Amino acid sequence: GESVGLHLPTLSVQEGDNSIINCAYSNSASDYFIWYKQESGKGPQFIIDIRSNMDKRQGQRVTVLLNKTVKHLSLQIAATQPGDSAVYFCAEASFGNEKLTFGTGTRLTIIP
Amino acid sequence: SAVISQKPSRDICQRGTSLTIQCQVDSQVTMMFWYRQQPGQSLTLIATANQGSEATYESGFVIDKFPISRPNLTFSTLTVSNMSPEDSSIYLCSVELIDRSSYNEQFFGPGTRLTVL
Repeated sequence: GESVGLHLPTLSVQEGDNSIINCAYSNSASDYFIWYKQESGKGPQFIIDIRSNMDKRQGQRVTVLLNKTVKHLSLQIAATQPGDSAVYFCAEASFGNEKLTFGTGTRLTIIP
Repeated sequence: SAVISQKPSRDICQRGTSLTIQCQVDSQVTMMFWYRQQPGQSLTLIATANQGSEATYESGFVIDKFPISRPNLTFSTLTVSNMSPEDSSIYLCSVELIDRSSYNEQFFGPGTRLTVL
């Protein structure tokens, strides 16, 4: 079946630097994408989402970019902080289908 | 957003037994879902908990193994039946809000960490 995946399973970034986490998806019917952050021992926490009619969306210190041509999604975190250390998942869905399909996850470690 | 609680937060069980996990949300929700997250892996949807009717299971998951109840709009249970060590995972409840302004935004509970010996 179609799936969502990630290029990098682990990423280490110096505190204060920017980080980019990537995600590839294969279901061309997906029109909604979400990034979740999961800290150790906790459930996933919604970070930011984007619809397929957009290329970019910004939040507080985070930006999501969507490239539908190559089916690629990225999460940029600016000025990383120790609290950003977590596993980040992308997920996809399509209009009318409430189910989310999750990617494999990237562990981000912020080095003090 | 929604505040979601799960009970128990963790448990250690013997093989062959069953465990029922509860999910409670502080507001009425349209959709409730149950996910499994095996150690070091991503989340896999088990089923959609439908209020007043049988749950909708994903491929690879069956009602006999994972019976689900949803008696009202704020509560659901997932039972892991006849457990084996392969059932050791984190089980997560998620909800989608009725009056949400965001499309498909789901909120997750803290999870139940299950270890089967």
